[in-house]
Amino acid sequence: EAQVTQNPRYLITVTGKKLTVTCSQNMNHEYMSWYRQDPGLGLRQIYYSMNVEVTDKGDVPEGYKVSRKEKRNFPLILESPSPNQTSLYFCASSFDWNTEAFFGQGTRLTVV
Amino acid sequence: QKEVEQNSGPLSVPEGAIASLNCTYSDRGSQSFFWYRQYSGKSPELIMFIYSNGDKEDGRFTAQLNKASQYVSLLIRDSQPSDSATYLCAVNTGYSTLTFGKGTMLLVSP
Repeated sequence: EAQVTQNPRYLITVTGKKLTVTCSQNMNHEYMSWYRQDPGLGLRQIYYSMNVEVTDKGDVPEGYKVSRKEKRNFPLILESPSPNQTSLYFCASSFDWNTEAFFGQGTRLTVV
Repeated sequence: QKEVEQNSGPLSVPEGAIASLNCTYSDRGSQSFFWYRQYSGKSPELIMFIYSNGDKEDGRFTAQLNKASQYVSLLIRDSQPSDSATYLCAVNTGYSTLTFGKGTMLLVSP
């Protein structure tokens, strides 16, 4: 089954404790991206990747890191999480920059 | 700054009616346009995409694009209670993938 898989689905952590949210796709897609979704603000892009070892900042990259060492994986790293990073996070992938994005199930992160 | 604007709603329609959802975008260079449906707490799922001016129909859904007016809409015919969700308009202007509107909540009453 074609899918984008994120883990974990739910995470509660404390301020400053490094964490990684994993994202993996099995569709051989070139493009992958991370979004956060907050009430009243909609979906905002954090980082995106056009291919292995090629990443760039989206609209809200501060406090986040990403890597793309393999085509299928695109982890999101929070080196020192803060409460303002409490949000619902989505990973997405697409075949090309101009085609539909497929979304993972989402990760609900709470930083206390 | 690329912007995609949608009325937040809620848009309330009775079952069987036509729901009309609208979206405007700021970047004239935008090339592809998508409508996603999102149920509360779930991930967005694609409803329609459109690249060219005019109408595109798929079952009960019709997407309309007017690039001169920088306007894209989604019509849902014979609305069903299961269509109640938030509808996200997304616009792609280049290699940075998609810019989303904040979404319009649709409520279909039985």
